[in-house]
Amino acid sequence: ELKVEQNPLFLSMQEGKNYTIYCNYSTTSDRLYWYRQDPGKSLESLFVLLSNGAVKQEGRLMASLDTKARLSTLHITAAVHDLSATYFCAVDKSNNDMRFGAGTRLTVKP
Amino acid sequence: DSGVTQTPKHLITATGQRVTLRCSPRSGDLSVYWYQQSLDQGLQFLIQYYNGEERAKGNILERFSAQQFPDLHSELNLSSLELGDSALYFCASSVGTGTSESVAYEQYFGPGTRLTVT
Repeated sequence: ELKVEQNPLFLSMQEGKNYTIYCNYSTTSDRLYWYRQDPGKSLESLFVLLSNGAVKQEGRLMASLDTKARLSTLHITAAVHDLSATYFCAVDKSNNDMRFGAGTRLTVKP
Repeated sequence: DSGVTQTPKHLITATGQRVTLRCSPRSGDLSVYWYQQSLDQGLQFLIQYYNGEERAKGNILERFSAQQFPDLHSELNLSSLELGDSALYFCASSVGTGTSESVAYEQYFGPGTRLTVT
């Protein structure tokens, strides 16, 4: 069964610092997604990663995928308060059964 | 605003009842997905439709059913409701459906329907 584990589940960081969120999954998967969710809001798609070694960047966020290690990372550079949210990774296979991690609640403090 | 609309925003009902949640996908999107988000279960994929046909099933209970209509809007029907069905139900849409590892379609999520079963 496909399982997705994220860590840490809670992350408190200071503005200007760098940090990485990790997403491990248990079986081979076709696609890896990163989403952001603000409190009381819906999910916003950040990245979709397809192939081994894929790296995508948007502003202060960079996501990478290592399919051999079954690991994706979401790296935060020089965090700002606006990045405070819950970040989810999710994986699916061709049957489109998407499995989500538990989410990482990020708080960026001044 | 993702372009995906869901109604109603909030729904409060009693155990044993039946409710219908509605989703209108973004213009041009053929795929509709339903998800459930609760504190104890997290985010779970329920079911996907593509151009009117069921494409994938996740952790959807037998008491739940869905359909996608010719105009591509979708409805999620929840029956014999239990307290544990209280959750946020999201609909998402995408232009296509990923049938191979080389293709991925970004999913756009609606604002959700918060269901409270009392």
